Parts: sequence; C-alpha cells; structure tokens
Amino acid sequence: DAGVIQSPRHEVTEMGQEVTLRCKPISGHDYLFWYRQTMMRGLELLIYFNNNVPIDDSGMPEDRFSAKMPNASFSTLKIQPSEPRDSAVYFCASSLGGGPYRWTQYFGPGTRLLVL
Amino acid sequence: QKEVEQDPGPLSVPEGAIVSLNCTYSNSAFQYFMWYRQYSRKGPELLMYTYSSGNKEDGRFTAQVDKSSKYISLFIRDSQPSDSATYLCAMRAGGYQKVTFGTGTKLQVIP
Repeated sequence: DAGVIQSPRHEVTEMGQEVTLRCKPISGHDYLFWYRQTMMRGLELLIYFNNNVPIDDSGMPEDRFSAKMPNASFSTLKIQPSEPRDSAVYFCASSLGGGPYRWTQYFGPGTRLLVL
Repeated sequence: QKEVEQDPGPLSVPEGAIVSLNCTYSNSAFQYFMWYRQYSRKGPELLMYTYSSGNKEDGRFTAQVDKSSKYISLFIRDSQPSDSATYLCAMRAGGYQKVTFGTGTKLQVIP
C-alpha cells in the first residue's frame, strides 16, 4: 500500500488567497483525520471523519477553515482567506477503527504551508 | 493548562546512553497511551502503545504508564544515531478515536 498521500507537499501563497490541501487515505480505512502542527502548539486535531461523515470539528480554528470528504478515498481541507498565522505543517492521517488494535493512525508526509 | 505536557527538549545524548522521555497529563479518562516517533520533515509513526497502567517492552524500547501519577515514560536503551527524532506522547480515552498529543521532545543521539 502506498500509505496516506497528501498534496501538495509544499505551498507558498499570499495572504487572502484560497488554499486547498488534499488527502488520499489508506484504502479500507474508515477514519480520516486532519491535524495542524506548529512549534508552539504541537500537533492539533482539526477535524475527523468516520465513513466520510464529519464527527468532530471542534478543533477547526474558525470559519475560514472547511473540510470535506466526498468519498472514501479523498478529502480536502480548505482555508479561505488564508492568513500568515495559518502557516504550519498540515497532516492527514487515517485509521481502521473498530477496536484498540485497529485504531492506529497512519500519517501522511504532510503539507508545509507558508502564507506570506 | 494543557491536557498533556511534554518537555520540548532538545535532549542530546551520546550513542549507547539510556534515554528517558516523559509526559504528564490531567485527563483521568485517558486509557490508551502511545508514543510516536517523527523524523525531520516526515509524518509521525506509531512506536509503542500501552493500555492502562503497566510496562511494555519492544526491543530497546520500554513504555511505562503510571495512571495514579498521570505520568508516562519511554525508555530507549543503547541509543543509536538513528533514534534521533522527535518523540510525541499521545493519549486517548476509551471508545473515542480522538487522540491528544504532547508537543514532542526532540532527541539527538551523538555518535
């Protein structure tokens, strides 16, 4: 299996622009997670989905952030408009779920976002 | 106060040393405890996990959980330069998929 795939790997944009991050989870995994990682705050959960349905979006910082999962093999995280404080590494992770030995989260390589 | 506290380091040790990494937490509902390893510019990968209190050993790695003190540890024996990475503790309550991470401790093992 190719693992969790994220694109783009790097994104540099200007303040006010729309940013779309993409994720393809591991085939057969029922859960998908979006995280943001910064030096100051560490790894923060933004939102997670179960069977394409958003379950907990309490970590989404504000209305500028939105996430969708139109099917089992694709999810997007959108920031509109972007701000410099959104600069971070964004990770997508997926897991099987359904029991303690099946909830290991597998992370993608991340998208490094820089908003100027 | 954060739910999970972890010293960011950096921690620098000579090759062959025993390394001790620690986290404290405040949420009594946490039942599953994990350690992730993250190499530079990579995603975290699960290293070890334990359920409730006790020890778990896997090769050179030992994870300890003391729920009474709300304290978890990861020990690395005979540390190698390839162990140089950031180590994140992580925890979850039973029945929930949401995992809460520490901020990570950066470890450097010097040859």
